Amino acid sequence: GNSVTQMEGPVTLSEEAFLTINCTYTATGYPSLFWYVQYPGEGLQLLLKATKADDKGSNKGFEATYRKETTSFHLEKGSVQVSDSAVYFCALGHLGYSPTGNQFYFGTGTSLTVIP
Amino acid sequence: GAVVSQHPSWVICKSGTSVKIECRSLDFQATTMFWYRQFPKQSLMLMATSNEGSKATYEQGVEKDKFLINHASLTLSTLTVTSAHPEDSSFYICSADPEGKLFFGSGTQLSVL
Repeated sequence: GNSVTQMEGPVTLSEEAFLTINCTYTATGYPSLFWYVQYPGEGLQLLLKATKADDKGSNKGFEATYRKETTSFHLEKGSVQVSDSAVYFCALGHLGYSPTGNQFYFGTGTSLTVIP
Repeated sequence: GAVVSQHPSWVICKSGTSVKIECRSLDFQATTMFWYRQFPKQSLMLMATSNEGSKATYEQGVEKDKFLINHASLTLSTLTVTSAHPEDSSFYICSADPEGKLFFGSGTQLSVL
């Protein structure tokens, strides 16, 4: 089946610290992988994605590499800011393969708080 | 990017009443929309897939008669929580996926008293 396992939170870091949020998955077929971010009081936003093995998604200083051999898609950022405080969701998506179109599976989310 | 508008953002209702949540795609047409439910400190849970012009596809364990979904046009899907009870209190989010990217509404916080 399809599932996403995400590291437990909450995570608290000082400003300019290095961030890693682990994400591993199980999947049938060849999914795309996503990281979504939910800022306080807002809906989910797509942060970055990778559509095939060895692809690296990047946005706003965040990066994640699609590792098929380890079934992982860990989120990293070299220097976090207070404005990065949010909940981050790892997701797996089968695009166009299900009868209804696309299908997504989400991790449980990791809350990140960055302190000055 | 694509814009998905969800309304209302929050609603408080009495037990036994029905609540309708609207999800609109503002700048694209959506033949399919997704409805999720988010419990505190838990992930989004897919409730159902809304299909324009046909019946919604519900996930296992989701009551079809409790959560009525209507997708009457290419830009509007509605979720009606019928005869709401306190255990239905939750955060409901809709989404659509034009071009394979998932875009979400801002969510609706439902509180049933």
